Parts: sequence; C-alpha cells; structure tokens
Amino acid sequence: AQTVTQSQPEMSVQEAETVTLSCTYDTSESDYYLFWYKQPPSRQMILVIRQEAYKQQNATENRFSVNFQKAAKSFSLKISDSQLGDAAMYFCAYRSLYLGGSEKLVFGKGTKLTVNP
Amino acid sequence: EPEVTQTPSHQVTQMGQEVILRCVPISNHLYFYWYRQILGQKVEFLVSFYNNEISEKSEIFDDQFSVERPDGSNFTLKIRSTKLEDSAMYFCASKGGYATEAFFGQGTRLTVV
Repeated sequence: AQTVTQSQPEMSVQEAETVTLSCTYDTSESDYYLFWYKQPPSRQMILVIRQEAYKQQNATENRFSVNFQKAAKSFSLKISDSQLGDAAMYFCAYRSLYLGGSEKLVFGKGTKLTVNP
Repeated sequence: EPEVTQTPSHQVTQMGQEVILRCVPISNHLYFYWYRQILGQKVEFLVSFYNNEISEKSEIFDDQFSVERPDGSNFTLKIRSTKLEDSAMYFCASKGGYATEAFFGQGTRLTVV
C-alpha cells in the first residue's frame, strides 16, 4: 500500500519570502500522480499543483513549484513570494496511474503554513 | 467555473439517526468519491463510484455506509445509524476522465451528538 509522509506539522514564513514544504512517499508503482492540495480555514480542498511521475520536468504554477525526485521518492512544494492568503493546511497526495489500479488519493497528514506579515 | 456542490454545509444529528449527505458533481464528470477528515487529522478515502457502481471502498466504509447516484446528477452518502466517531468533515469529489485530477466540494461538517 502507498503511504505519504509530511514530516513538518507546522511551518511559518515571512510575507514575500520563500518556503518549502516537504513530502515523501512510498510506492512500488512506477507510474503515478502526485498532488499538493491547499485547505484554507474554510476547509475546502483546493488543488495547487500536479506532477506526473513519468515527467522529468518539475511542475510549476505561478508562485508554486515542486521539486520532484523520483528516485528519492520526494515531492516538495516551494512557495515563492509568500502572501497572507497562502496561509492554510497543505496536503501532499498520491494517486496511482496504473490502469486498473486504485483511483483513490492517499493523503499525508498535512503541514500547517503560517504567513507572518 | 464548474464546481462540486455539497449540501448541507453543516449537519447535527443524534447518535443512531440516519443521515444523507448530498453532492452535485461537475456535470460531465464520470468518477465520484467520498472522503472524510476527522478534525485535526488527515483526509481519508471512503469510496469511489464509477459506471453506477462502487469501484473501490476502504475499511472505514462498512455496512453502515452506502452511496447512490439516484438521478444522474446527485451523488449521496448515507450513514444508516450514526456513531459519535462519524463526526467529521465529509468531502465529495469528482473527476472527468481516468487521468485527470479530482475536484473537491466545500465539504459537509457532520456532528453526531
């Protein structure tokens, strides 16, 4: 079974600075997706960024980028120019891409990000 | 922008009562999911639904739980006899095709007293 580990329960960053959230995972599959979801105080789950394991290039979405290290099974999220609105819980998630494999998302425990003005 | 809609946003129920949580997935989506998040804990998979049947379920999804897509637009989660430990945020999600990302609703907070 796949597992996702987020070793940082809480992180803080100054507004306009850069912060990196860590995520490691364990799987025996070679094809899969990795995601970062943001959960603000409203508790809605919002997709931040997605990475396909077969792509070597790291995904980027505006101020959000990932460092995907497949061999190390590491998938960190970098938030540049942090804004007050970035304050939220961030969840790393895994999903199989294997046809016939599980469709479910496997989540880590989350990292609570605080942005200080 | 299309979105997944869940109702109610908050439901309080007495232990032992049946509850139905409702979801309207994005209209052309084919895959539907329920997840739950006990306060302060991680999001856990409950069940996935495709082609009018359950495609996968977790250990949490026991006989007290059922899902239904009664009219081609709604997707419901029923808990037959609620327990205190069913108190959680329940998220519905949907996705269009196999290799796409899931979009989540805003969640229903269920409180069992």
